[in-house]
Amino acid sequence: ETGVTQTPRHLVMGMTNKKSLKCEQHLGHNAMYWYKQSAKKPLELMFVYSLEERVENNSVPSRFSPECPNSSHLFLHLHTLQPEDSALYLCASSQEGQERSYEQYFGPGTRLTVT
Amino acid sequence: GQNIDQPTEMTATEGAIVQINCTYQTSGFNGLFWYQQHAGEAPTFLSYNVLDGLEEKGRFSSFLSRSKGYSYLLLKELQMKDSASYLCAVRDSNYQLIWGAGTKLIIKP
Repeated sequence: ETGVTQTPRHLVMGMTNKKSLKCEQHLGHNAMYWYKQSAKKPLELMFVYSLEERVENNSVPSRFSPECPNSSHLFLHLHTLQPEDSALYLCASSQEGQERSYEQYFGPGTRLTVT
Repeated sequence: GQNIDQPTEMTATEGAIVQINCTYQTSGFNGLFWYQQHAGEAPTFLSYNVLDGLEEKGRFSSFLSRSKGYSYLLLKELQMKDSASYLCAVRDSNYQLIWGAGTKLIIKP
């Protein structure tokens, strides 16, 4: 089975809708991430769940809220989004240790369009 | 502030060699990663450097100079399938990954 899966792959939503993105990792990793990727911009880290602690990027608007029920599943709940939130949302996982961090494995992403 | 710089786009010929540079200014350093991302797909891990020098992995090599805040990715014997974006990322003193915007590599026959 593919290491990191994401659903849906494509999502079109209006500004008043509520939707959720789902991510699942089958690699036994202990850290999961949400990234936003916009054209010609660096990957923007939104949220991290690492070693059961959530680390936030304080610049992320409250209309995005993450949920991590266990080490294999990660959700991103969306509500009242803006057109500028249209982007590719990538989920990733990695194995974090006390002395080093390892490479991240990415899911295929959800292409989100806000109309 | 923290910053990763890499060229926006490069063009090379099939069979040739190309070097993609990355310079960084970060608060601390705990390793540098290169990822490949084909259009419409997820980034995939290519290489990791934490000590100065060259790491070779088949047709791909990655070099690091910590004193210069500099790395490059060297691709040899270019193939059409190497057309992709190449992302440089540095892990800072807080173990946060700082990403560059990526270099789009176009391979021409």
